Amino acid sequence: EVQLVESGGGLVQPGGSLRLSCAASGFTFTTYSINWVRQAPGKGLEWVSYISSSTTTIYYADFVKGRFTISRDNAKNSVYLQMNSLRDEDTAVYYCARVPVYCGGDCHDYWGQGTLVTVSS
Amino acid sequence: SYEVTQPFSVSVALGQTARITCGGNKIGSKNVHWYQQKPGQAPVMIIYRDSSRPSGIPERFSGSNSGDTATLTISRAQAGDEADYYCQVWDSKTYVVFGGGTKLTVL
Repeated sequence: EVQLVESGGGLVQPGGSLRLSCAASGFTFTTYSINWVRQAPGKGLEWVSYISSSTTTIYYADFVKGRFTISRDNAKNSVYLQMNSLRDEDTAVYYCARVPVYCGGDCHDYWGQGTLVTVSS
Repeated sequence: SYEVTQPFSVSVALGQTARITCGGNKIGSKNVHWYQQKPGQAPVMIIYRDSSRPSGIPERFSGSNSGDTATLTISRAQAGDEADYYCQVWDSKTYVVFGGGTKLTVL
């Protein structure tokens, strides 16, 4: 069974840092790219960052460039999102999602349950 | 940057057909994917590459894409179809782009 499990969310003050983790199981992790997608309370889905299977390609949404860093450890079947200089508007549920090749390499066929990040003083 | 637009809400009578649109400049030249999200749950992919259904998704869900509009069609709407629906594309400059989401109400 394919599973993606996020962790690391919590309450943090503005300007603080958090590191999110996405642990994968049930599939050959090394052959899949992963996206982080977030959803602010009561709002829609918003893409955050992408990392390819081999880590050779990384993309960020403009609003996180210079603040967030995506990485992966294929030996641990995990993807990470290091979030620095957090702002109130970063408050959201953060999902990791698998990117399969069969859809052209840009859809998301499995999602984690999400981890809530709350930025507040 | 590339943008896609969806209606904020769509209503459909029980058993009838609902259509949710996703508009974008020449979106017909892109792969469009659709997700269903129920309250408190993660999104679920229901259509990929315009009109393909993942395993386990009912045939009542279908998709099309041409010109500047992609459409998700839900036939014989059921109460359990009430959810938020999001379209998504990939753009070479904006990367992953989601529509704002459409709330489907089944009357």
